[in-house]
Amino acid sequence: AQSVTQLGSHVSVSEGALVLLRCNYSSSVPPYLFWYVQYPNQGLQLLLKYTTGATLVKGINGFEAEFKKSETSFHLTKPSAHMSDAAEYFCAVSVRGGGADGLTFGKGTHLIIQP
Amino acid sequence: EAGVAQSPRYKIIEKRQSVAFWCNPISGHATLYWYQQILGQGPKLLIQFQNNGVVDDSQLPKDRFSAERLKGVDSTLKIQPAKLEDSAVYLCASSPRTGWSTGELFFGEGSRLTVL
Repeated sequence: AQSVTQLGSHVSVSEGALVLLRCNYSSSVPPYLFWYVQYPNQGLQLLLKYTTGATLVKGINGFEAEFKKSETSFHLTKPSAHMSDAAEYFCAVSVRGGGADGLTFGKGTHLIIQP
Repeated sequence: EAGVAQSPRYKIIEKRQSVAFWCNPISGHATLYWYQQILGQGPKLLIQFQNNGVVDDSQLPKDRFSAERLKGVDSTLKIQPAKLEDSAVYLCASSPRTGWSTGELFFGEGSRLTVL
């Protein structure tokens, strides 16, 4: 079975600083990897995804993530944080296989932006 | 294109009472998911439907939870009787794909349940 570990339940950065949210995964087969964002009282919105091919993927709002198979990681970054980035971020994995094929989520990282 | 619709958005009940949540997926989406998101945790899959059939309900507490998707469109999730630990946000998601979803799901805003 696949799993996702997000390091740090809360991350605080200053506005304009680099954002780095860490995600490691475990999967016995090649995974598809995702970052979803959840703003207060809203549903989850897809930020970006890795399927196959280029390991550096770009998403909405200036975020990007790099798939590193050797490190089983899929960290999310943004060069310059904006106040509007404050939200909960979830890393998730999906693998092809029998039975349920929905997403397996990490516990989430709450991103706090300091003015 | 209309998104995934869920209702009610908020519900407060006392333990041992019953509650039902409704979900209308994006038009034409064959696959529907119910997730439970407890405060401080990531969403956990409860049940997956493809059209009106159940693909997987292995994590659904069947002694108190039930779900159905009549005519392969709308779905309802029911809890009876509710326990304190059922306090959570219940998220509905849909996918246009049959077979493997590839993980690209479209989520509703969720229904927040508080059990007192």
